Amino acid sequence: DAMVIQNPRYQVTQFGKPVTLSCSQTLNHNVMYWYQQKSSQAPKLLFHYYDKDFNNEADTPDNFQSRRPNTSFCFLDIRSPGLGDAAMYLCATSRASATDTQYFGPGTRLTVL
Amino acid sequence: AQSVTQPDIHITVSEGASLELRCNYSYGATPYLFWYVQSPGQGLQLLLKYFSGDTLVQGIKGFEAEFKRSQSSFNLRKPSVHWSDAAEYFCAVGTYSSASKIIFGSGTRLSIRP
Repeated sequence: DAMVIQNPRYQVTQFGKPVTLSCSQTLNHNVMYWYQQKSSQAPKLLFHYYDKDFNNEADTPDNFQSRRPNTSFCFLDIRSPGLGDAAMYLCATSRASATDTQYFGPGTRLTVL
Repeated sequence: AQSVTQPDIHITVSEGASLELRCNYSYGATPYLFWYVQSPGQGLQLLLKYFSGDTLVQGIKGFEAEFKRSQSSFNLRKPSVHWSDAAEYFCAVGTYSSASKIIFGSGTRLSIRP
């Protein structure tokens, strides 16, 4: 059974057109993460939530925002996507910290035209 | 700040052969070390992790890794690879003092020769 679900799996948007990616989890974990992974690169942490507490990485552009309306769901909003934002976006969860096992979703592949 | 290096970008081994993927970390204290695997088009899955204790760690799918403090290494091994092991492998490091994030290495792509 899928534990971390990401929708859609593939998203195509136009340059500058806002887009929202969705993540849901059935694990009831406290922490949810969003990573950006470009081709042949390591996942790069954008931000994470511990419960409702939002933690932004210092180098995450303002163009990226996130919402966590409840324990199960977390959204990634890209306000004005640029060509450089084309990537795989991975959602992950962990029980209490990043040093606990992180459970990843299958990712959303974002294409920007 | 902690960092992790995977010196091999791409490795090809024959099916049935042994495997060793290299990982070196940089951190002053005892780190938390992880190996994750990513199959094509999929998210990452934890293979194994090391926090303390026995320096030889057993993981899923027949993988093991050995923590060597003197060499700042945490190499991943498997005695006999299967075609299904073809994937991207990421080493990662975390710390007790900064438990909110782990840092991933750049990954090693493993191909299996029939």
